[in-house]
Amino acid sequence: SAVISQKPSRDICQRGTSLTIQCQVDSQVTMMFWYRQQPGQSLTLIATANQGSEATYESGFVIDKFPISRPNLTFSTLTVSNMSPEDSSIYLCSVERQPNTEAFFGQGTRLTVV
Amino acid sequence: KQEVTQIPAALSVPEGENLVLNCSFTDSAIYNLQWFRQDPGKGLTSLLLIQSSQREQTSGRLNASLDKSSGRSTLYIAASQPGDSATYLCAVGEGNTPLVFGKGTRLSVIA
Repeated sequence: SAVISQKPSRDICQRGTSLTIQCQVDSQVTMMFWYRQQPGQSLTLIATANQGSEATYESGFVIDKFPISRPNLTFSTLTVSNMSPEDSSIYLCSVERQPNTEAFFGQGTRLTVV
Repeated sequence: KQEVTQIPAALSVPEGENLVLNCSFTDSAIYNLQWFRQDPGKGLTSLLLIQSSQREQTSGRLNASLDKSSGRSTLYIAASQPGDSATYLCAVGEGNTPLVFGKGTRLSVIA
């Protein structure tokens, strides 16, 4: 398994501000992903965080809105920029030690934008 | 495009009952299938991973089966307990692409 520490666990933010979410893994992993889960919905992939290079974003998500860093094989950050109430969701970090192996998730960040 | 469907969307059962959650997928060319549990407002906990070459996996009171050719998986929970109340998600891995998730089944086990 993988132990993932995701911070903060929850936050209430003013519209127009930005929040950076951190994901720390207890050991090196190849794959790291960021998901969004809007209220009552399933998970939607935002991007794949690539170590040492720019993240790969899914359709509908852009780097200016969701900049991602991945400086090494155990750590990544997701920033939600210029927030609006529509950004209120749970944001989840996920890892796979190697491609196509078991996926593990952090405990999520519950974001409310007011 | 792969689509994953979970039925029922919600289920309420009395404590002690055995139950089955269903997951179906449209493209049988999958690499693996994973079942997760999610408590309200929390992250996902991995329950079972079934590789495409496997038929089932077991962990404690949980048993997951996979019929790749028919595009179906089931999660069997034996002797359900109130602590099993959560949303159960299945996700399909297609190899070097992100997991595709179903919308989940919300389970309530009544004491």
